[in-house]
Amino acid sequence: AQSVTQLDSQVPVFEEAPVELRCNYSSSVSVYLFWYVQYPNQGLQLLLKYLSGSTLVKGINGFEAEFNKSQTSFHLRKPSVHISDTAEYFCAVSDTNAGGTSYGKLTFGQGTILTVHP
Amino acid sequence: DVKVTQSSRYLVKRTGEKVFLECVQDMDHENMFWYRQDPGLGLRLIYFSYDVKMKEKGDIPEGYSVSREKKERFSLILESASTNQTSMYLCASSLPTSGGPPTYEQYFGPGTRLTVT
Repeated sequence: AQSVTQLDSQVPVFEEAPVELRCNYSSSVSVYLFWYVQYPNQGLQLLLKYLSGSTLVKGINGFEAEFNKSQTSFHLRKPSVHISDTAEYFCAVSDTNAGGTSYGKLTFGQGTILTVHP
Repeated sequence: DVKVTQSSRYLVKRTGEKVFLECVQDMDHENMFWYRQDPGLGLRLIYFSYDVKMKEKGDIPEGYSVSREKKERFSLILESASTNQTSMYLCASSLPTSGGPPTYEQYFGPGTRLTVT
């Protein structure tokens, strides 16, 4: 079984400051990793994903994440946040048998609410 | 662009009513999913379907059923709505069956906020 832990339920920051949202996972098999963002009253939108290759993944809106296999982490970072980045962020994991019997099921973390203050 | 649509953004129902939530995707995806989202709990999988008429229970299937009669449509049914089913319901789809390598990410609809009174 897989699990995902987002270490911070809420992260307040000031505009133009850097931010890191932390995500740890546990799994007995190889995984794919995802970060999604949810703006108020909307569905989830993919920010970035790690499938294979380079452990530093760049996504939309200036976000990036680094896959660290030894620490089973996939932390999300942005060097300078904007007011418009205020949203809830979800880390998710899928095992690499996504095309097979796991059917691409995702296990989500509890979410981190990022609030950017002026 | 992938588009996943849900039949209602907001829904208010009474305890004991039968409730249907509809989801349609337009990208020929094999897999479709229903989640509920509650504050502090993230998204929890209710049911998923990997083909027409095929379904599997997720982590919290009690009190719910699903139907997938056509590939593009996946319905969530609350047989007898209860107040503890008040929540945000999100539909998602994934894995196109043609047109290149699979990408594995799920594409989400806008959600239905259901209130059961």
